[in-house]
Amino acid sequence: AQSVTQLGSHVSVSEGALVLLRCNYSSSVPPYLFWYVQYPNQGLQLLLKYTTGATLVKGINGFEAEFKKSETSFHLTKPSAHMSDAAEYFCAVSDTRGNNRLAFGKGNQVVVIP
Amino acid sequence: DAMVIQNPRYQVTQFGKPVTLSCSQTLNHNVMYWYQQKSSQAPKLLFHYYDKDFNNEADTPDNFQSRRPNTSFCFLDIRSPGLGDAAMYLCATSRDIEETQYFGPGTRLLVL
Repeated sequence: AQSVTQLGSHVSVSEGALVLLRCNYSSSVPPYLFWYVQYPNQGLQLLLKYTTGATLVKGINGFEAEFKKSETSFHLTKPSAHMSDAAEYFCAVSDTRGNNRLAFGKGNQVVVIP
Repeated sequence: DAMVIQNPRYQVTQFGKPVTLSCSQTLNHNVMYWYQQKSSQAPKLLFHYYDKDFNNEADTPDNFQSRRPNTSFCFLDIRSPGLGDAAMYLCATSRDIEETQYFGPGTRLLVL
């Protein structure tokens, strides 16, 4: 079964600094990988996804992530943090063998310091 | 705009009193999912419908049921809510299996 590890439940970053959220996955088959963002009392919004092809994926709000098979990683980055980036971020992996069951990591709560 | 809608956004119920949460979609997607997200935890899949076919997760309690009367609507029924069922309940849809899931805003359930 697939699983996701996100370390550090709370991440503090200064406004204008690099945002880096780490995601490592375990999957027995080639994975589909996702990053979702959740603002307080709201649902999940898709930031970006990797299925096949180019390993560097660009998403909304200036975020991007790179799939590294050798490291089983899919880290999320943004060059310059904005106050509006304060939210919870979830990495998820999907079993590509047809059941589309998403396994989520525990999430990173991002705090942006002015 | 095509979207996933959940009503109500906040629901208060009493211990043991049945409650129904609603999800509708204008995306005409084949698959609809229900997730439970407890405070400070990741969403956990309860079950999903592929068209009319119901797929229950092995560890979903029997207290949780679902109905999908048509393509657009899907309901989550909690037959006898306990205090431990207080959570955010998220509905998601995807066009097909192996396609991206799109989430609604969620319903926050409080059990008194």
